[in-house]
Amino acid sequence: QVQLVESGGGVVQPGGSLRLSCAASGFTFSNYGMHWVRQAPGKGLEWVAFVQYNGNKKYYADPVKGRFTLSRDNSKNTLYLEMNSLRADDTAVYYCTKDQGGGRMVRGVFEYWGQGTRVTVSS
Amino acid sequence: EIVLTQSPATLSLSPGERATLSCRASQGVDSYVAWYQQKPGQAPRLLIFDASYRATGIPARFSGSGSGTDFTLTISSLEPEDFAVYFCQHRSNWPPITFGQGTRLEIK
Repeated sequence: QVQLVESGGGVVQPGGSLRLSCAASGFTFSNYGMHWVRQAPGKGLEWVAFVQYNGNKKYYADPVKGRFTLSRDNSKNTLYLEMNSLRADDTAVYYCTKDQGGGRMVRGVFEYWGQGTRVTVSS
Repeated sequence: EIVLTQSPATLSLSPGERATLSCRASQGVDSYVAWYQQKPGQAPRLLIFDASYRATGIPARFSGSGSGTDFTLTISSLEPEDFAVYFCQHRSNWPPITFGQGTRLEIK
């Protein structure tokens, strides 16, 4: 069965950095695009970023563009989100999600979700 | 950016009743709408994609309809485990992908 396990969350001061990881199993990781979606406390869902199956194409939401960097290591079945210049409004649970499409077919549908990792930006 | 507006914000119903949740897009999104269910302390779960297709393992009491700007998620007869928050999401001309603000389905 598909499993996505996030790690790396924690408490960080404004302006600081964190690196989130997502370990994937139960499917051929190198065949699928992957997304990060976040949810601020008591709020709705916000799409953060996407990386294509081979790492060649990446898209970012405007609030994180220039500060967050998405990467993947297909040899380790792992997705990463490098977060810099963190702000209070980046405080959220960050979910790693698998795109429904495979290969070049990107569907923008979040088929499977991890349990999330909590990021708190506070002084 | 396409804005999705869900209504009502909260829906109070009893088990066995029919639930109808709405999602309206600020511009046409063809049939590129998905619905997710989220229970407290859990990750969201995909229910419906492309407006009307049930995801793997989703019970038949969940159905979706709509195209263009107006979409509906219907739960034909509510089970106790269906009380949760529901989000719609579009994938038309992304990025960005956006979600509605959610509808809370609570027990009356």
